[in-house]
Amino acid sequence: EIVLTQSPGTLSLSPGERATLSCRASQSGFSSYLAWYQQKPGQAPRLLIYGASSRATGIPDRFSGSGSGTDFTLTISRLEPEDVAVYYCQQYGTTPRTFGQGTKVEIK
Amino acid sequence: EVQLLESGGGFIQPGGSLRLSCAASGFTFSNYAMSWVRQAPGKGLEWVSSISVSTTYDADSVKGRFTISRDDSRNTLYLQMNSLRAEDTAVYYCAKGSGMSYWYFDVWGRGTLVTVSS
Repeated sequence: EIVLTQSPGTLSLSPGERATLSCRASQSGFSSYLAWYQQKPGQAPRLLIYGASSRATGIPDRFSGSGSGTDFTLTISRLEPEDVAVYYCQQYGTTPRTFGQGTKVEIK
Repeated sequence: EVQLLESGGGFIQPGGSLRLSCAASGFTFSNYAMSWVRQAPGKGLEWVSSISVSTTYDADSVKGRFTISRDDSRNTLYLQMNSLRAEDTAVYYCAKGSGMSYWYFDVWGRGTLVTVSS
């Protein structure tokens, strides 16, 4: 099973700042089959990024994904108040599908 | 518009059974893998089960107790949950796969809450 470790656990930034979220895999072998999801309080998750770097339909371009192998990053270039959420990475190249434990993004 | 609507959650005693349903609309249901993902109260996301055309995949934590199935004629996904345990308490989300192989979850339902307690 591929274990995904996200860091930091919580990120507290001011509006307009850059947010950098990390997702590290315990092993490679799932190619770039890595997705990122956003979950706002009381809501279902929403797909942000797939294939490590492709934005899903309707996702603002301030969200970007990068990385390969075992290290992946989600970047929010200019944080907005509506970006307050928990962000999860997930690999879909192997079974069992696994999620990271999440990074909570807060606004200062 | 693609929509997924879960139903069937509720309160159940340990050892009991429950069947969840997910009604899909707005896309050709039979062309996509479908999955269940759960979230225990205050916790992160956990993949439960997936089904492609006829192949099923289950997390070790539910293997032998949960059965995923689909009825393409009714555009409906199911999760039969037997021998329920307290640790199965969670919101269960139905999620549409992006295709039939190496799928990510591109659309999610709102979820249905399952509470297992005596």
